Amino acid sequence: DAMVIQNPRYQVTQFGKPVTLSCSQTLNHNVMYWYQQKSSQAPKLLFHYYDKDFNNEADTPDNFQSRRPNTSFCFLDIRSPGLGDAAMYLCATSREGDSYEQYFGPGTRLTVT
Amino acid sequence: GEDVEQSLFLSVREGDSSVINCTYTDSSSTYLYWYKQEPGAGLQLLTYIFSNMDMKQDQRLTVLLNKKDKHLSLRIADTQTGDSAIYFCADFTGGGNKLTFGTGTQLKVEL
Repeated sequence: DAMVIQNPRYQVTQFGKPVTLSCSQTLNHNVMYWYQQKSSQAPKLLFHYYDKDFNNEADTPDNFQSRRPNTSFCFLDIRSPGLGDAAMYLCATSREGDSYEQYFGPGTRLTVT
Repeated sequence: GEDVEQSLFLSVREGDSSVINCTYTDSSSTYLYWYKQEPGAGLQLLTYIFSNMDMKQDQRLTVLLNKKDKHLSLRIADTQTGDSAIYFCADFTGGGNKLTFGTGTQLKVEL
């Protein structure tokens, strides 16, 4: 059974048109993460939620926002996508107090036209 | 800040052993992980090791940790074509619930 689910798997949006990516988890983990991964690169952390506390990375553009309405769901909003935002977006979860390993979803491939 | 480095490519023949290496700079790393990523997919956790261990074995996978040299390796025994993927090492230092990922090693398994 899928533990970290991302929808949609593929998303095409137009330049400047807002887009929302979603992530849900069945693990009941208290920490959720959003990463951006471009081709042949390591995942780059955008932000994470520790319970309800939002933690933004210093170099994450303002164009990227996130919401976590409850433990299970987390959303990534891109307010005005540019061509440079085309990438794979990965959601991950972890539980504090375990061995801190992160479990990843399958990713959403975003194309900006 | 923390740096985690890996070699970019490794090519092996099917049935041989693969050894993927990783070096890190933060001596306070508490957990170190190996992830596998197949094309177009998310990252799959393969195994992890706690910093007070030297070795961990899990079926075909053997992780070796040399804390003195800050060197981590992943050995895959009897490598199969299905093992072709990008392998990322990552470490956790306890600060901010975050992992630092290496640059990734592309493993190619040839027949």
